[in-house]
Amino acid sequence: SQTIHQWPATLVQPVGSPLSLECTVEGTSNPNLYWYRQAAGRGLQLLFYSVGIGQISSEVPQNLSASRPQDRQFILSSKKLLLSDSGFYLCAWIKGRGWNEQFFGPGTRLTVL
Amino acid sequence: GNSVTQMEGPVTLSEEAFLTINCTYTATGYPSLFWYVQYPGEGLQLLLKATKADDKGSNKGFEATYRKETTSFHLEKGSVQVSDSAVYFCALHNYGQNFVFGPGTRLSVLP
Repeated sequence: SQTIHQWPATLVQPVGSPLSLECTVEGTSNPNLYWYRQAAGRGLQLLFYSVGIGQISSEVPQNLSASRPQDRQFILSSKKLLLSDSGFYLCAWIKGRGWNEQFFGPGTRLTVL
Repeated sequence: GNSVTQMEGPVTLSEEAFLTINCTYTATGYPSLFWYVQYPGEGLQLLLKATKADDKGSNKGFEATYRKETTSFHLEKGSVQVSDSAVYFCALHNYGQNFVFGPGTRLSVLP
């Protein structure tokens, strides 16, 4: 069966510090991978998606970036965090864009102080 | 473009009350429709889905019917429990495109 992991589960970082959040998927190959952000009490905002190694599409211009160094690994990064980067970050995957279910990881709660 | 609209929350109900959360969509083609649930501090889980018009998705006592004529996919449950307290997201997916999520509706069920 497939599983998706995210770490860390929670993170408190000062403004201006770097960020690296990691997501890995097990039990499948060539998944489409997604990063979403959920601000407090708000809906989901799609940040990045990837259809393959090294292929990243950005949905919202900001100080975040994403990378996919391996087939089942998706990393969200920032060189300098802003207060507005606080939120709940969710990684998700689907088998391919024609597949009809998106699976979510447990999320990372980021607080920028 | 594709979009999903949900009723604004929060929705507060007493245990055993009837639940309806409205969802309407705008989309080209024939999207699949979904309800996801997010319990506090967790990721989203698929609750139910419907892939074509007039399909009814159901799970854990929740139901939603894909109504193409009204472009709706309202979530219903006959008798809610405290454990149903969560945020509910309506979503659509067209082949070859990204998922589109509604803003979410927070449900609080009081004992």
